[in-house]
Amino acid sequence: GAGVSQSPSNKVTEKGKDVELRCDPISGHTALYWYRQSLGQGLEFLIYFQGNSAPDKSGLPSDRFSAERTGGSVSTLTIQRTQQEDSAVYLCASSAQGATNQETQYFGPGTRLLVL
Amino acid sequence: AQSVTQPDIHITVSEGASLELRCNYSYGATPYLFWYVQSPGQGLQLLLKYFSGDTLVQGIKGFEAEFKRSQSSFNLRKPSVHWSDAAEYFCAVGARDSSYKLIFGSGTRLLVRP
Repeated sequence: GAGVSQSPSNKVTEKGKDVELRCDPISGHTALYWYRQSLGQGLEFLIYFQGNSAPDKSGLPSDRFSAERTGGSVSTLTIQRTQQEDSAVYLCASSAQGATNQETQYFGPGTRLLVL
Repeated sequence: AQSVTQPDIHITVSEGASLELRCNYSYGATPYLFWYVQSPGQGLQLLLKYFSGDTLVQGIKGFEAEFKRSQSSFNLRKPSVHWSDAAEYFCAVGARDSSYKLIFGSGTRLLVRP
């Protein structure tokens, strides 16, 4: 079946602009995660959604970052007033609900963001 | 603090040679352990995972990993490397009590010599 999809695949923006990154999880997966992959920081957790529960935002690096998940499916990560240090690959992952399935996260191809 | 260490930044092996990539973790709870592979410009593909039970787990593409609780290690192995295995490999840990969010190692880049 279809995997996790992300759009756009590449985004170039100017410093100070806002950007929105989209993630479509695997159908039926209730858990959704955003990670960031950058040269200096490696792979780091940003935010986690599970069903109707309040999201775990503990990994968001600043209040310029926010995310929402509409209808328990598609998620949008928004970065306001982008800075050059926001340049990175943003990865989305989803996993299925259930005691033995929730632990396995399946990743999308990522969005490569470049802030000029 | 929770952490994952992959001590080798780069490893070069000859095609057909055996491979072992090291991973050590520090985690208070019983961790779930994963190995992911990332080819250039691609996302992360799951190679294998350990939750419980048999400490030797088999994955895709002929990879296996062994969980050793006493050494806090989860090393990845392959008996015979193929040129297509050249990629970056990430070890990760997660746990139920932390929303299963993954903590990743810094990665090991594998180069395969013809």
